[in-house]
Amino acid sequence: DAMVIQNPRYQVTQFGKPVTLSCSQTLNHNVMYWYQQKSSQAPKLLFHYYDKDFNNEADTPDNFQSRRPNTSFCFLDIRSPGLGDAAMYLCATSRGYNPGDSYEQYFGPGTRLTVT
Amino acid sequence: AQSVTQLDSQVPVFEEAPVELRCNYSSSVSVYLFWYVQYPNQGLQLLLKYLSGSTLVKGINGFEAEFNKSQTSFHLRKPSVHISDTAEYFCAVTLSGASGGSYIPTFGRGTSLIVHP
Repeated sequence: DAMVIQNPRYQVTQFGKPVTLSCSQTLNHNVMYWYQQKSSQAPKLLFHYYDKDFNNEADTPDNFQSRRPNTSFCFLDIRSPGLGDAAMYLCATSRGYNPGDSYEQYFGPGTRLTVT
Repeated sequence: AQSVTQLDSQVPVFEEAPVELRCNYSSSVSVYLFWYVQYPNQGLQLLLKYLSGSTLVKGINGFEAEFNKSQTSFHLRKPSVHISDTAEYFCAVTLSGASGGSYIPTFGRGTSLIVHP
């Protein structure tokens, strides 16, 4: 089955220690997104790629970076995690902006990040 | 900028009772509308979507939603809920291609459906 895969599902890191979360997709979608979701809140968009074009949300902290080396993979790097960065991180994909596309998103299962 | 309002943060209901989760959006232009469900410690899963055509949309797990353009609403309904429907439900809106298009959705804050036995 075509899907969005996130690894690891659970990640524990120490305060200030860099961490990388990964996402891969077999859907061949143009767009990949990273969301941060805290308890009982809506997902908050951090950034997204349309193909290789990187789009950063204005309020995404500089502490968060992303890489998309190819169509299938996308990484979220947190350079110096703080306690406030503990959250669920969701990766999603969509086909993109093409005639007839419905823009629906396909989500991975998420990575729950704990900062100690 | 568009906004999505889910007025109810929590909806408790007994098993086999009907339920309606409300969603209103602010855009005055043509939109695509989505409902997603999120089970604990999982990602979001598409329940149903409205793109065009019939205003009554049927989705998975027995859910349906009705698009009402005049009231800018897209309420989610199920005639008889099960314990397994306990989850967080998110309404989302994107601008359709006819409106210039934007593939970035705006999400509501979510409604927690709690089904009691």
